[in-house]
Amino acid sequence: AQKVTQAQTEISVVEKEDVTLDCVYETRDTTYYLFWYKQPPSGELVFLIRRNSFDEQNEISGRYSWNFQKSTSSFNFTITASQVVDSAVYFCALSVADNYGQNFVFGPGTRLSVLP
Amino acid sequence: KAGVTQTPRYLIKTRGQQVTLSCSPISGHRSVSWYQQTPGQGLQFLFEYFSETQRNKGNFPGRFSGRQFSNSRSEMNVSTLELGDSALYLCASSLGGRTEAFFGQGTRLTVV
Repeated sequence: AQKVTQAQTEISVVEKEDVTLDCVYETRDTTYYLFWYKQPPSGELVFLIRRNSFDEQNEISGRYSWNFQKSTSSFNFTITASQVVDSAVYFCALSVADNYGQNFVFGPGTRLSVLP
Repeated sequence: KAGVTQTPRYLIKTRGQQVTLSCSPISGHRSVSWYQQTPGQGLQFLFEYFSETQRNKGNFPGRFSGRQFSNSRSEMNVSTLELGDSALYLCASSLGGRTEAFFGQGTRLTVV
């Protein structure tokens, strides 16, 4: 069975601080995809990043960066120089590659509050 | 490019009634998935449709059903509503496979 854990329920930071959101996943499959989504108060889930299990290269995209480590089954997400607009709930998700279509397993989410 | 559109945004229904929610995916996307979000259970997968065929189904009772039309628009139906069905229902569209999914703003269903 697949499972995603986000140990941090809530995080508060002051604007311009860096913040890292933790994600640990469980799967027995060797091919899988990991995602981060953001859910602002308006409700929709906003896609942030996607990574496949064969690509452990860590990248930076603007103020976002991520650290994917298969050895520890972790897929952490960092926001640099946080802004008030970053306040939202962040979800880590796992999608297992199979022939039966798309199916995300989401973590419980981390509520990030960025204070001015 | 228009995003995923879900209607209605808000619904209030009485226990025992049925409800139909609608989702219009991004143009060109043939995969539509539905998720239920509640404070207690978080985000849970309901089902996914691709080219009018249900390809995957989550662990929900048969009261939850869906369908997809030839233009990729999808509906989900919940019959014999229970108080526990109160939730935010999110629709996601994608090109299919392991690509990223794009979500609508959801329909907030309240069962009284």
